[in-house]
Amino acid sequence: VMTQSPVSLPVTLGQPASISCRSSQSLVYTDGNTYLNWFHQRPGQPPRRLIHKVSNRDSGVPDRFSGSGSGTDFTLNISRVEAEDVGVFYCMQGSYWPWTFGQGTKVEIK
Amino acid sequence: EVQVVESGGDLVQPGGSLRLSCAASGFSVSSHYVSWVRQSPGKRLEWVSIIYAGGEEFYADSVKGRFTISRDTSHNTVYLQMNSLRVEDTAIYYCARADGSGNYRDYWGQGTLVTVSS
Repeated sequence: VMTQSPVSLPVTLGQPASISCRSSQSLVYTDGNTYLNWFHQRPGQPPRRLIHKVSNRDSGVPDRFSGSGSGTDFTLNISRVEAEDVGVFYCMQGSYWPWTFGQGTKVEIK
Repeated sequence: EVQVVESGGDLVQPGGSLRLSCAASGFSVSSHYVSWVRQSPGKRLEWVSIIYAGGEEFYADSVKGRFTISRDTSHNTVYLQMNSLRVEDTAIYYCARADGSGNYRDYWGQGTLVTVSS
């Protein structure tokens, strides 16, 4: 089970933001990798992956997004929130089938 | 350019069946994995199924025995056959060239809406 907090995150433009994701079991796979991904979804759009394997930004993702963590506890940080960041952020574990998502964190501008 | 386009979503009664299609372009479905991910009205995301290049299939527990993923290489299309549909299967169904590892760039369609209701 993937649990995110907070569920709702009002943020000020230009300020940092942080989202936590906790897994009920270690996400370290037998190959030594930790398959923890972060997605962002804008209204009316499919999810877009931002981060894979804990801390690797996907192509085209701004460097204000960073991921960290290990084992069961992970964090997505946004160094300076921009207007285009509104939407819902999801963590997702791809280490063990069935792959599962967190319940989402809705980011909105104050 | 890699693209996946879903179709087939509809309103269906509980107990009914539906087949979703995912038309792929820019890559061959026989050489890459393709997944179905759904999003319920409450916005919860669930990875429903994946078919790998070698033909191996995986299903979420919630759909096992009711849903079947398959592919037609001649039409470069992946299907999701959904039988014994339940109200809780109501969701937007996304097709994606994606898997859990994140090792490769992922591509998602815009989704197709399935509504199960009497």
